[in-house]
Amino acid sequence: AQSVSQHNHHVILSEAASLELGCNYSYGGTVNLFWYVQYPGQHLQLLLKYFSGDPLVKGIKGFEAEFIKSKFSFNLRKPSVQWSDTAEYFCAVITNAGKSTFGDGTTLTVKP
Amino acid sequence: NAGVTQTPKFRILKIGQSMTLQCTQDMNHNYMYWYRQDPGMGLKLIYYSVGAGITDKGEVPNGYNVSRSTTEDFPLRLELAAPSQTSVYFCASSFGWAGENYEQYFGPGTRLTVT
Repeated sequence: AQSVSQHNHHVILSEAASLELGCNYSYGGTVNLFWYVQYPGQHLQLLLKYFSGDPLVKGIKGFEAEFIKSKFSFNLRKPSVQWSDTAEYFCAVITNAGKSTFGDGTTLTVKP
Repeated sequence: NAGVTQTPKFRILKIGQSMTLQCTQDMNHNYMYWYRQDPGMGLKLIYYSVGAGITDKGEVPNGYNVSRSTTEDFPLRLELAAPSQTSVYFCASSFGWAGENYEQYFGPGTRLTVT
């Protein structure tokens, strides 16, 4: 069975600090990888996704993520966070059977 | 396109009651999903479907049933509501499972309370 692990449950940063959120998955076959963001009171929005090719993918709002196959990781990064990045972030995988699994999420709080 | 629509938005059930959460998409997507999100937690997959007439269990299927008689609709049935089913339920759809244009589109959610 596939699983997704997000190591940081709650991250608190000051504005302009750099961000890295960890995500590891377990699955023996081909997966597609995603990061979603959920702002307070809203539903999930796609930040970025990886299917194939360049393991460094860029998404919206200055976010990027790197797929490291040997480590089963897909960490999310942003060089300089803003107060408006305060939200919950979810890593997810989807297998070639169409089954999706989400991590438990990381709450990011950015202090102005 | 309306995208993914869910009804109702809110519902309070008594223990033992049953109800159906409706989900409809107008994007001709093959794949549809039902998730629940408990406070402070991620989304847990309840059931999913890769096409009309095909459904499969996710991580937390107990206490729920689904059907997929058409491409557009994917209702979720709770037969005997229990307090543990208090949650926010999200329906989602996608064209496939991979590809450059892949994206899972989410509905606005249904907030269910069982007392």
